[in-house]
Formats: sequence, C-alpha cells, structure tokens
Amino acid sequence: EAGVAQSPRYKIIEKRQSVAFWCNPISGHATLYWYQQILGQGPKLLIQFQNNGVVDDSQLPKDRFSAERLKGVDSTLKIQPAKLEDSAVYLCASSPSGDSQSYEQYFGPGTRLTVT
Amino acid sequence: AQSVTQLDSQVPVFEEAPVELRCNYSSSVSVYLFWYVQYPNQGLQLLLKYLSGSTLVKGINGFEAEFNKSQTSFHLRKPSVHISDTAEYFCAVSDVGYKLSFGAGTTVTVRA
Repeated sequence: EAGVAQSPRYKIIEKRQSVAFWCNPISGHATLYWYQQILGQGPKLLIQFQNNGVVDDSQLPKDRFSAERLKGVDSTLKIQPAKLEDSAVYLCASSPSGDSQSYEQYFGPGTRLTVT
Repeated sequence: AQSVTQLDSQVPVFEEAPVELRCNYSSSVSVYLFWYVQYPNQGLQLLLKYLSGSTLVKGINGFEAEFNKSQTSFHLRKPSVHISDTAEYFCAVSDVGYKLSFGAGTTVTVRA
C-alpha cells in the first residue's frame, strides 16, 4: 500500500512570494489533514477535510493560507504572500473514517519551506 | 480543549539502557492517546496508541506505554534502546473529531 505522498520536499522562497504544496493521501482515506511544524515544536493542525468538505480550519491563517481538496482525493495548500514566520515543515496526513481506525493518522514525509 | 505536555525536551541515553519519555495531558472528555516517532527528514510514524481496554499498550520496535487516568499521564518506555532509536518522539491526544493535539516533542539521542 502506497503511503501519503507530498511534493515538493523542499522549497525556498523570498518573503511576499507565493508557494503551493501538494498532497496525495492513501487510497480510500476520506479524511485529510494539513499540519504546520515549526522547528522545535510539535505539529499544529491547519485544516481538516472530510472527503472534499472542510471540517475544521479554525487555525488556518485565512488572510494568506488557502487549501482545497477537489474531488475528495488530492489536496493543495497555498501561501500567498509568504512571511518569514511561515518557515516550517508542512505535513499532510490521512486517515480512514467511520470507525476507531479513524483515530490513526498516516503522515507524509513533509515539505520543508524556508522563507528568506 | 485538550493539551499535551512532554516533560523532557531532550533525553540522552546510552545504548542498551532503558528510557522513559514522560507525557501528561489535560482534557475535559475521554481521550485517545498516541505516541509518534519522527526520524530525521521523515514524517511521523505511529509507535502505539491507546483507545480503550488495557492500560498497558505495546507498540512497534519494543516500545510500550501505560495510560494512567488518575495522573493524566501516558509515559513511553523501552527497556533497552538501540542507536537506531535516535529520533524525536511526540505524544498526542485526540478526542471527538479525530483531531490530534501534539506535545512539543522529546529528542532522544542514543550514544554508544
């Protein structure tokens, strides 16, 4: 079974530029999550999708961050414009739904973003 | 709302020695508890989870954890570590809605 795929793995941009990250979850997983992990901290949830609907985006800075999950499969997270404090690893995770297995999330390798 | 506190930010340990990583949580509802491991430049991998039942949970790579409801703790242990256990370890809690809240992490460095 293929794991969660993310691209790119690394990205360096200047502040005020825009950037997009892509995530392909495990096949059949209905729930998809985006996390931000700042150096020295644990991951923080940005947004949670159930199929192609948003379940929770309360911690997403909506003035600059946006995310979509068209057709309930792949997802894209965008930052526009980027700030220095956005430097972090962006993790995508997915999980099945409907039973206790939903509590187990499977993580991708992450995208390391450096904003200069 | 739930929160997680990992009491040790760094734990150096010699190879073949035991290790314990401490985790305390706060929540107003029933919780589900997890330990994840993150190797350098990789994503998080689930070590073990507590959903219900026995309070002693066994996971992969010889790790185990004990859920203590009265002390709101979920400490992770391994009786004998290897060099390959060098990594960052995260405790996480989830309640209704499946969202995970993570602790700040504990860096384990195993020395020969």
